[in-house]
Amino acid sequence: QVQLQESGPGLVKPSQTLSLTCTVSGGSINSGTYYWSWIRQHPGKGLEWIGYIHYTRGTFYSPSLKSRIAISLDTSKNQFSLDVNSVTAADTAVYYCASLPDGTVMVDSWGQGILVTVSS
Amino acid sequence: QSALTQPPSASGSPGQSVTISCTGTSSDVGAYDYVSWYQQHPGKAPKILIYGVSKRPSGVPGRFSGSKSGNTASLAVSGLQAEDDADYYCSSYAGGNTMIFGGGTKLTVL
Repeated sequence: QVQLQESGPGLVKPSQTLSLTCTVSGGSINSGTYYWSWIRQHPGKGLEWIGYIHYTRGTFYSPSLKSRIAISLDTSKNQFSLDVNSVTAADTAVYYCASLPDGTVMVDSWGQGILVTVSS
Repeated sequence: QSALTQPPSASGSPGQSVTISCTGTSSDVGAYDYVSWYQQHPGKAPKILIYGVSKRPSGVPGRFSGSKSGNTASLAVSGLQAEDDADYYCSSYAGGNTMIFGGGTKLTVL
């Protein structure tokens, strides 16, 4: 299993862009073995799938968020990133990066999560 | 896409068995054998328990089992232990390279 670690600002102002990075260790993001995903959890609420990216197959997003999000890979740093634009208080959540082995649609590894608060 | 439907809460005494349901539609749970279950303790990241409806990753106790009938998947926990007190989430492939989670069930071990 790979290990994942999220990083980024814990506070973002409304209308700005939320940008997070996930550093992957124990595996290569360009191996094609995994889908690399972002999942969030609003305070006290359930899990929400944001989207995932595969090295060769591209990016796939939640229909409810796709107009505001982008997921990308940085193979030189073995990282993948999430951008959410035009944020509001409703985007306040713990954001997890995660890995899904190809062909399983299961999350086998999670980052520890990072709380991002949207507030002025 | 609406979240899969789970009961908000479930409970049982140590040693007993409990089953948690996860109801979707013919476009997600009913259409694919890609249902997974996760356990989450407070302040922690979720942990995989079941994938592919009924498969257990190595290291997951045999007390946890999964099944599916039609548009409803189920997670059964037998021989409840204190450490099973946690939140449980189901997820399913929903077609079009998307996935969806359930709203979560708080399992209380009495």
